[in-house]
Amino acid sequence: GESVGLHLPTLSVQEGDNSIINCAYSNSASDYFIWYKQESGKGPQFIIDIRSNMDKRQGQRVTVLLNKTVKHLSLQIAATQPGDSAVYFCAENISGYSTLTFGKGTMLLVSP
Amino acid sequence: DADVTQTPRNRITKTGKRIMLECSQTKGHDRMYWYRQDPGLGLRLIYYSFDVKDINKGEISDGYSVSRQAQAKFSLSLESAIPNQTALYFCATSDRMNTDTQYFGPGTRLTVL
Repeated sequence: GESVGLHLPTLSVQEGDNSIINCAYSNSASDYFIWYKQESGKGPQFIIDIRSNMDKRQGQRVTVLLNKTVKHLSLQIAATQPGDSAVYFCAENISGYSTLTFGKGTMLLVSP
Repeated sequence: DADVTQTPRNRITKTGKRIMLECSQTKGHDRMYWYRQDPGLGLRLIYYSFDVKDINKGEISDGYSVSRQAQAKFSLSLESAIPNQTALYFCATSDRMNTDTQYFGPGTRLTVL
């Protein structure tokens, strides 16, 4: 069946670099997307979301880009810090459904 | 998120035992969810509830049951635990006015021997 997926299971960056985490989705009826951050031993935390009527949304140090043509979602983290080290999940909501479908996650490792 | 709490945080049990995991929330949200997380498989939905009288099966409900005792409480039971139910279990909540954004508890690590 159709599901959310991720390109890279692990991303290693240096402190201060910009990080880009990618996510592909296959359901064209998906109309809402969320990025979550999960630190070791904790539950997923909401980072940022975007609706399908938008291409870009910015938060504090984070930007989400949505390319509906190729069904691709990305999370950009500016000036990555060691505290950003975590697993990042994308999730999608399919229009008309009441639940989220989660990707498998990408581990972001930030070196000092 | 301190607004969503789960008990216990860790549990080790034996095959065949009945286990209950509890979730409470102070966010005032109507909707509550139970997920399990396994390495390499991401979060999978077990059950969800949109209000006290509403219970819905998720992707992997076999071997589990739930009870929505009140708006703020949603418990997950394993009637007869088996080793492949060893996993991290998360409770989540969402608001009817913003139903797509879910907020998660800290998780329960369950080991079935």
